[in-house]
Amino acid sequence: RKEVEQDPGPFNVPEGATVAFNCTYSNSASQSFFWYRQDCRKEPKLLMSVYSSGNEDGRFTAQLNRASQYISLLIRDSKLSDSATYLCVVNMMGYQKVTFGTGTKLQVIP
Amino acid sequence: GAGVSQSPSNKVTEKGKDVELRCDPISGHTALYWYRQSLGQGLEFLIYFQGNSAPDKSGLPSDRFSAERTGGSVSTLTIQRTQQEDSAVYLCASSRTPEQYFGPGTRLTVT
Repeated sequence: RKEVEQDPGPFNVPEGATVAFNCTYSNSASQSFFWYRQDCRKEPKLLMSVYSSGNEDGRFTAQLNRASQYISLLIRDSKLSDSATYLCVVNMMGYQKVTFGTGTKLQVIP
Repeated sequence: GAGVSQSPSNKVTEKGKDVELRCDPISGHTALYWYRQSLGQGLEFLIYFQGNSAPDKSGLPSDRFSAERTGGSVSTLTIQRTQQEDSAVYLCASSRTPEQYFGPGTRLTVT
């Protein structure tokens, strides 16, 4: 089983839709979780950290479910500019080395 | 402030030649990472430097690949005797915490 798994998609959604991605991780000792966004032919950029209590940043909401070992990203009112690949990142406590998922591709359609 | 910078941005080389890719991390970031990304694929971890500790080289695909980090700052990734399958974007990232900040990458094309 991979350390971090994501559905590669693509998720094709109309503008204004709500879309959610999940990411599962295999190591129960994982402590830090992040979502990154990668635009086509660009470097990944940090979108948001995922806290135990969940967190929200505008139209984006991230949740952590430790019992089932997954994190989620919810995007409300999708914009064309949200089209990108979303990478899930997991880190174990005490280590700065992280593990990236292979990403979920989102295409928002006019 | 200044972000992570990489040079060159693009490199075209002939099969069999050696190449050096450079990464300047964000000042004060103790950790530095190299990744490789082939077209349409995910990030492939190559090597990780943390302070003065021995680097984690577990991701290097062959002994043709090596990396150095001098003075805890600038890093150089060297690929010897390049092969066509080495063609990819090579991304460098740095961090003080688990959150990583990426450079724009070097696009390597081996002809």
